[in-house]
Amino acid sequence: EAGVAQSPRYKIIEKRQSVAFWCNPISGHATLYWYQQILGQGPKLLIQFQNNGVVDDSQLPKDRFSAERLKGVDSTLKIQPAKLEDSAVYLCASSPGTGESQPQHFGDGTRLSIL
Amino acid sequence: QKEVEQNSGPLSVPEGAIASLNCTYSDRVSQSFFWYRQYSGKSPELIMSIYSNGDKEDGRFTAQLNKASQYVSLLIRDSQPSDSATYLCAVIPSGAGSYQLTFGKGTKLSVIP
Repeated sequence: EAGVAQSPRYKIIEKRQSVAFWCNPISGHATLYWYQQILGQGPKLLIQFQNNGVVDDSQLPKDRFSAERLKGVDSTLKIQPAKLEDSAVYLCASSPGTGESQPQHFGDGTRLSIL
Repeated sequence: QKEVEQNSGPLSVPEGAIASLNCTYSDRVSQSFFWYRQYSGKSPELIMSIYSNGDKEDGRFTAQLNKASQYVSLLIRDSQPSDSATYLCAVIPSGAGSYQLTFGKGTKLSVIP
């Protein structure tokens, strides 16, 4: 079974530029999550999708971050404009559903550096 | 704000010893608890889940949950150098209808050969 795929693996941009990340979840997984993991901290949920609908985006900084999952499969996360504090690893995870027994499987993440 | 607290470490143990990792959480009615292992530069990997008070064993790993004390721990027996990683405690707080995870900052474990 193929895992969660993310690209790019690394991205370096200057502040105020824009950047986009892509995620392809495990086949058949209805639920998709985007997390931000700052160095030395645990992952923090940014947004959760169930199929192509948003379940929770309460921690997404909506003035600069946006995410979509138009066809209920792949998802993109965008930052525009980027700030220095956005330097982090952006992790995508997927699960078959939303039950507590539905484990979340993580991709390897995109490491973003803001200059 | 619902929080999950872990000692950031590093925790160093000799090879073959028992490593004990601890986690406390603030939301008294949390029901689901997880331990993830994260190697440097890699994604978190689920290693244990526990939902009821007591111990749950899986190979060399034992998760312990005490809801009255709001405390969950992970014991690693016969620690190996390959166990060296950051261990993240995660909780599904009450009212989280979306079953979203709240993570602690993680404890870095080093197993010394």
